[in-house]
Amino acid sequence: DIQMTQSPSSLSAFVGDRVTITCRASQSVNNYLNWYQQKPGKAPKLLIYTASSLQSGVPSRFSGSGSGTDFTLTISSLQPEDFAAYYCQQSYSTPWTFGQGTKVVIK
Amino acid sequence: QVQLQESGPGLVKPSETLSLTCIVSGGSISNYYWSWIRQPLGKGLEWIGHVYYTGATDYNPSLKSRVTTAVDTSNNQFSLKLSSVTPADTAVYYCARGGDWKNWFDPWGQGTLVTVSS
Repeated sequence: DIQMTQSPSSLSAFVGDRVTITCRASQSVNNYLNWYQQKPGKAPKLLIYTASSLQSGVPSRFSGSGSGTDFTLTISSLQPEDFAAYYCQQSYSTPWTFGQGTKVVIK
Repeated sequence: QVQLQESGPGLVKPSETLSLTCIVSGGSISNYYWSWIRQPLGKGLEWIGHVYYTGATDYNPSLKSRVTTAVDTSNNQFSLKLSSVTPADTAVYYCARGGDWKNWFDPWGQGTLVTVSS
């Protein structure tokens, strides 16, 4: 199985901050890397697919980059509604696997 | 737009079979892969397996011996069966569209909590 490792596991930030979350794969996943946002008690929501494509309806302050084994999710200016958990997921090799998650909390 | 809704018992006894159904509304089940994903409370996400609208399946090897997924195109729904459950199978179970190579999961159902306990 491809292991996905996110860092940090949690972070605290102010509204307006630029936030970067990293996801590293144990082997190359090409650019088949997706990002999801999950708020408490809710299902995950797709933010970014194939590393850098913004899902329809997702604010442009979210962006993704990377290829191979190293990927980042960036929130350019953190908004109150962005406080949530974020997960990366690879779709290159089954079983599809997720990172352990990064929780973004208010500072 | 496409919406998914899980249904099934919220409590299952150890050693029994967990059975869930996901109803797809607002779009056809045809031409897509449909997946089951679970999340123990306070923990991360685990892909369980998928079913294609043709009935073809693929499962996570960690659960493969206990999992069966099926599709019912006439009723626009698909299902999950997980046999010989233990308390470690207690989780929120989500259904989602997707689960094929190079693809992603979207949209997701709201999730249903299944507790394994006697």
